[in-house]
Order: sequence, then structure tokens, then C-alpha cells
Amino acid sequence: DADVTQTPRNRITKTGKRIMLECSQTKGHDRMYWYRQDPGLGLRLIYYSFDVKDINKGEISDGYSVSRQAQAKFSLSLESAIPNQTALYFCATSVGGSGETQYFGPGTRLLVL
Amino acid sequence: AQTVTQSQPEMSVQEAETVTLSCTYDTSENNYYLFWYKQPPSRQMILVIRQEAYKQQNATENRFSVNFQKAAKSFSLKISDSQLGDTAMYFCAFMTGTGNQFYFGTGTSLTVIP
Repeated sequence: DADVTQTPRNRITKTGKRIMLECSQTKGHDRMYWYRQDPGLGLRLIYYSFDVKDINKGEISDGYSVSRQAQAKFSLSLESAIPNQTALYFCATSVGGSGETQYFGPGTRLLVL
Repeated sequence: AQTVTQSQPEMSVQEAETVTLSCTYDTSENNYYLFWYKQPPSRQMILVIRQEAYKQQNATENRFSVNFQKAAKSFSLKISDSQLGDTAMYFCAFMTGTGNQFYFGTGTSLTVIP
């Protein structure tokens, strides 16, 4: 079984709809992250969490919110989806400490019509 | 602010040959970490190699090695004996010594030609 899983893998939604992307991990890592990938722009950080009680904004948090329900679960919500949120979304995890490798989930491809 | 630049949007290499992917970065930090990730068509992000800036020795992982030039702020990836399975997008990434945020380059699409 994969260490970091994301659901759904693909999603099509309409402008204005609320949508939640879910991430679960079995690696036992404290730290979890949400990134989005756009063509030609690489990956950019949306939110990150160092433990259940810690949530931090990343580079591009506007229009998104997150919930860390447990050490192993980290959800990303789009309260009112808009077309420019069409992207590939990745969840990642890492152990604590500086410079630690982040392990990525398989990604969720989101299309907002 | 940290920036990462990959100046080669696309590259190709013949199977069994060697190819080098370029990456430069800009930072005022002295302690940091550098990474190369591979993203094959399956879109999974896979760690290729990691380098700690305070280590002068270049990191190697089997057929993958880096040329880390700290003064020049350069971190290139060399793939030896290229295989068809190396076809992927390759991302260079930077992380400061005190933070946990990755700064990614825009990627290089590598195609290995049979």
C-alpha cells in the first residue's frame, strides 16, 4: 500500500462549488504539506502543518483552507472553486527537522469549469 | 527570497548516454539543502537525490550524481547510462536550513530516445 494517499485522484467541479481534497499517510510523519502544480510554474506551497495543532500559510493560500484532523490526515478545501484553481494538487509529508526529504502522494487533478 | 532556475525546459538523450540537467539558485542563506525530484508520466513525485550545502562532497545515487558548486550557486544533475524509464520531468528544489518550505524550479522535461 502507498505511504501517502490522496482522494480523489481526479475531480471535475463547477465554479462556486465547495470541494475537499483529502490526504492520508501511514509514514508516521508529523509534518504535512499541500502544493499545487501548474504547467510551467513548478510546485508552489499552499499550506503546511507541523503537527495537529499547527497550521501555517504557504506562498499561495488565498482561496484555500485546510484541516489537520489527525496526525495522519490533512485536508485541503476550496470554499468556492474558480477556474484558475484548475491544477494538479499534491500532498507531502516529512519527519521533523531541517532539510528533511518530503514524500509526495500521487496527486489530485482538479478541473474547475 | 529564494529562487530556483532551470534554464532547460526540454532535453533529450540517447539511451545509454549521459545527460546533465542544469539548476541554479539564489539565496543569502549559508545553510540549506538541495534536491532533485523526478516526475514520470504517472505524475508521482519521486526523490532522486539530496545534497546538504555544508557537505563539499557531491551526492551520488547509483546512476545519478550531482555537481554542486556552492560559490556559483549551481546544482546540476548528471544521469549516466540513461534508460527509457528515466523519461520524466525533473525538478530542482531548494530548502533553507531553518525552514521546511521547498522552492521548486520550473522543471526540465527529459526524453530518453531508444
